[in-house]
Amino acid sequence: DVKVTQSSRYLVKRTGEKVFLECVQDMDHENMFWYRQDPGLGLRLIYFSYDVKMKEKGDIPEGYSVSREKKERFSLILESASTNQTSMYLCASSSWTGSSYNSPLHFGNGTRLTVT
Amino acid sequence: DQQVKQNSPSLSVQEGRISILNCDYTNSMFDYFLWYKKYPAEGPTFLISISSIKDKNEDGRFTVFLNKSAKHLSLHIVPSQPGDSAVYFCAARAISNFGNEKLTFGTGTRLTIIP
Repeated sequence: DVKVTQSSRYLVKRTGEKVFLECVQDMDHENMFWYRQDPGLGLRLIYFSYDVKMKEKGDIPEGYSVSREKKERFSLILESASTNQTSMYLCASSSWTGSSYNSPLHFGNGTRLTVT
Repeated sequence: DQQVKQNSPSLSVQEGRISILNCDYTNSMFDYFLWYKKYPAEGPTFLISISSIKDKNEDGRFTVFLNKSAKHLSLHIVPSQPGDSAVYFCAARAISNFGNEKLTFGTGTRLTIIP
């Protein structure tokens, strides 16, 4: 069974702090993703990575950066946290399937971040 | 610009009846569609998918229908059970400008099954 582990369940940070959200997967998946979930907005893609040291912007990358130094680990970085980044953050992974699709995303349980 | 929309934020259905969840999309480049289910305090879990070249896919109590001309898909759950109470997200796959796959999610529908 695929396991995606997010290091913190809850985080409270102050405005302006640098915040690191960590995610580890144990299935040797090539692709990893960071989403945020907000009421009325669903899940929105922040960044994703399809290989070590490779990354691609999602739909709402502003205010975020990512790091993927090892295949199993994908970090989301808030350079200077702001109150509008208070949200539920979800990490996911999937395996590369080429042209056919049979690899749904496997999600972690989320990190609820509050920025005060 | 919401490319995947779920216009019903909530839905209540009697146990044993059919639940129908709807989803609309705008991007004709989407080639796969998926449904995810989410319980509180857990990550979403995959439920069922359908390729854009098909119009129906069935898995046990769950059936997904796709109407490409209307850019609409729906998830049918028959019969509905109390354990089906959750938030359901519709998602669509596209290939990014750099050739990588990514999923775009809808806003979710909270389904409540009434015993």
